[in-house]
Amino acid sequence: DGGITQSPKYLFRKEGQNVTLSCEQNLNHDAMYWYRQDPGQGLRLIYYSQIVNDFQKGDIAEGYSVSREKKESFPLTVTSAQKNPTAFYLCASSEMDGNIQYFGAGTRLSVL
Amino acid sequence: KQEVTQIPAALSVPEGENLVLNCSFTDSAIYNLQWFRQDPGKGLTSLLLIQSSQREQTSGRLNASLDKSSGRSTLYIAASQPGDSATYLCAVRRMNTGFQKLVFGTGTRLLVSP
Repeated sequence: DGGITQSPKYLFRKEGQNVTLSCEQNLNHDAMYWYRQDPGQGLRLIYYSQIVNDFQKGDIAEGYSVSREKKESFPLTVTSAQKNPTAFYLCASSEMDGNIQYFGAGTRLSVL
Repeated sequence: KQEVTQIPAALSVPEGENLVLNCSFTDSAIYNLQWFRQDPGKGLTSLLLIQSSQREQTSGRLNASLDKSSGRSTLYIAASQPGDSATYLCAVRRMNTGFQKLVFGTGTRLLVSP
């Protein structure tokens, strides 16, 4: 069953804590993306990666970090430097041209 | 800077009605435009992709049109059903050197009542 798996579905962060959101795809896609979605706003790009061991900042990268050690995995760490992390986080993947992106089911992050 | 706006923000219609969702963008230099559907608490599902050289695309009861010069796209849903209830987002792919990013609109939340 091909697709994108995000985990966990819900995540809670304490003050000053780093948390990592998982994203795995078995579509053999080269490119992967992380978006943040806030109520009443469109999706905003955090980071993207077009190839293993390479990634680029999106429009709102501050307070986040990523790695791309394997083609199928693109974890996102929300660091303590991100002062307003409460949001819905979506991971996506696509072929290299990025024309059609396939999305995971999302992770909802809240602050305790 | 490309900005994408969707009007209305929310729409409620009775089952069976035909309806139109609107998407406007400020920079007409786009590569393509895409319409997505998002169910509550879920990811996005691509509905229709229109290349910049195309005027419209159809899939079942859905028809999307694109007028690049005026910076507008519409999503027409025929004979709406309660199962169509969801948030609909449009996104444009910018003409960039190198990687072409998606810029999303804020979405229209649609409720179709039985």
